[in-house]
Amino acid sequence: GDSVTQMEGPVTLSEEAFLTINCTYTATGYPSLFWYVQYPGEGLQLLLKATKADDKGSNKGFEATYRKETTSFHLEKGSVQVSDSAVYFCALSGLTGGGNKLTFGTGTQLKVEL
Amino acid sequence: DTAVSQTPKYLVTQMGNDKSIKCEQNLGHDTMYWYKQDSKKFLKIMFSYNNKELIINETVPNRFSPKSPDKAHLNLHINSLELGDSAVYFCASSQGWSYTFGSGTRLTVV
Repeated sequence: GDSVTQMEGPVTLSEEAFLTINCTYTATGYPSLFWYVQYPGEGLQLLLKATKADDKGSNKGFEATYRKETTSFHLEKGSVQVSDSAVYFCALSGLTGGGNKLTFGTGTQLKVEL
Repeated sequence: DTAVSQTPKYLVTQMGNDKSIKCEQNLGHDTMYWYKQDSKKFLKIMFSYNNKELIINETVPNRFSPKSPDKAHLNLHINSLELGDSAVYFCASSQGWSYTFGSGTRLTVV
């Protein structure tokens, strides 16, 4: 079945550091790929998405490129801020009889310090 | 306007009790879901309904029973609650790849 593997956290960075969170996937067909962010005590918010190979999703300075050849969707940001501290989830969606089932990675906690 | 709202936000109850969590979406989406997030933050789908019809039922104990009275509502009823049911339960809705999550219900079984 479908699966998503992402790097374990927690990841602790200083403000303005470069961020990479690795994500690889296993899926049949051509899934759409997503990064979701969960701030403390809140629900999940879509950060960015890519729906086909070589697509680049971007939002709020975060980027990720859908790499079919390496089955990867790594999240990057050039300069993190304290406000980026959250848990980040990589996910893929597979169509299942009328609905999109999201399969999530285990989440990576990011802590950004001054 | 809240897109996907679920109630209650917090639920503390004793083992053996029966409880329900309600979810409503005003986005006009055809598909609704329940996801469970455990203490290690791992998220896993439980159920999915498309236009009131059950389409995904993952390996979930039959103490959990979803009910969708119409396509804007998906409730989750849990019988005979166990300690291991303690988690955050997220409702979501989707149209195509566009997913919207509720803010979660933190269930604590004592």
